[in-house]
Amino acid sequence: QKEVEQDPGPLSVPEGAIVSLNCTYSNSAFQYFMWYRQYSRKGPELLMYTYSSGNKEDGRFTAQVDKSSKYISLFIRDSQPSDSATYLCAMSSPVYNQGGKLIFGQGTELSVKP
Amino acid sequence: EAGVAQSPRYKIIEKRQSVAFWCNPISGHATLYWYQQILGQGPKLLIQFQNNGVVDDSQLPKDRFSAERLKGVDSTLKIQPAKLEDSAVYLCASSPDSNQPQHFGDGTRLSIL
Repeated sequence: QKEVEQDPGPLSVPEGAIVSLNCTYSNSAFQYFMWYRQYSRKGPELLMYTYSSGNKEDGRFTAQVDKSSKYISLFIRDSQPSDSATYLCAMSSPVYNQGGKLIFGQGTELSVKP
Repeated sequence: EAGVAQSPRYKIIEKRQSVAFWCNPISGHATLYWYQQILGQGPKLLIQFQNNGVVDDSQLPKDRFSAERLKGVDSTLKIQPAKLEDSAVYLCASSPDSNQPQHFGDGTRLSIL
């Protein structure tokens, strides 16, 4: 079993739709949770960064972490064609616990159609 | 703030040849990472430096891969000899310290013929 599981998609939605992206994980030591966006032939770009459980909102993006279920989500409201990219979840434990190594999901390919 | 710089952007070599990649992290970032991203997968950590010391190289294939970060700033990753399965994008990332978010460069796309 992989430490982080993410549905690779592809996911295709119409412009303006609400998008839900999800990851599950198995390592209860993870405390830092991130979402990265990766455009074709570019490096991952940090979108959201959350410590421990709870919600975080930034514009059209909302990140949720449920540590009891080992489940994290990213919601995109009013999706735009420019949101078309691969979305990677990533997580790590603190440096003092298992070294703080960042573990990525496989990535979900999202396409927003005009 | 300038981002993480990597070169070259693309490299094509034949198997058994050697290749080197270069990374210049964001100024002041003490932690530097090299990742391998195979097509359709998430990045996988190869090696992590804190200043010029190695923190984690547990997933680095040491029989063919080597990396160094002299003077705690720029870093180079080398593959010698290359195998077909090394075809991937090699990403460099940096962060102020190990508990801060990582910022990535655009990577070097390596193709092995």
